[in-house]
Amino acid sequence: EPEVTQTPSHQVTQMGQEVILRCVPISNHLYFYWYRQILGQKVEFLVSFYNNEISEKSEIFDDQFSVERPDGSNFTLKIRSTKLEDSAMYFCASSGLDGELFFGEGSRLTVL
Amino acid sequence: GENVEQHPSTLSVQEGDSAVIKCTYSDSASNYFPWYKQELGKGPQLIIDIRSNVGEKKDQRIAVTLNKTAKHFSLHITETQPEDSAVYFCAASTGGYQKVTFGTGTKLQVIP
Repeated sequence: EPEVTQTPSHQVTQMGQEVILRCVPISNHLYFYWYRQILGQKVEFLVSFYNNEISEKSEIFDDQFSVERPDGSNFTLKIRSTKLEDSAMYFCASSGLDGELFFGEGSRLTVL
Repeated sequence: GENVEQHPSTLSVQEGDSAVIKCTYSDSASNYFPWYKQELGKGPQLIIDIRSNVGEKKDQRIAVTLNKTAKHFSLHITETQPEDSAVYFCAASTGGYQKVTFGTGTKLQVIP
């Protein structure tokens, strides 16, 4: 069964450092997303991406965040200067035209 | 924007009993209502969804109901088993590739 894969599974970084989280969406999907889940809380939408541009972004997705699809298979989330409050589980998801989301296993980010 | 409320936050049932989780949403334009199961350390996994042109959908031991007038939707799990223990999230979307707004989650514990 096709799946969304994410790397790394866990990253520990110092406050102020740049972090890149990587995702390989399902190959025939056209829509890509990043969601975030702070420990014990609900899953929150960050950004959606279609046709090589951002479709929608939430208030959380400020200027410190960016997304890119550099090579037609990977989909990345970059946090330019991490803050303590960026510590969370970051989930990549992809969907086809029906909107059914398939999530990856997540990347846990710990900012010290 | 959309706001999804979910109750209860925790639910304990005896194996074999039924479990019901209820959600409300605020945006009358929402027309796609997925339910996700999240096991510890994993990403959300779609277990069932319902679209606004139907009032009820069933898949083996799982059923969802939707009342668009009241903006309520519910998940029913019958004959619960220990492997049903997880966190369940309801969600709402205006469909297609639009973002999915999650509820706050219900931690279900099935006691053997």
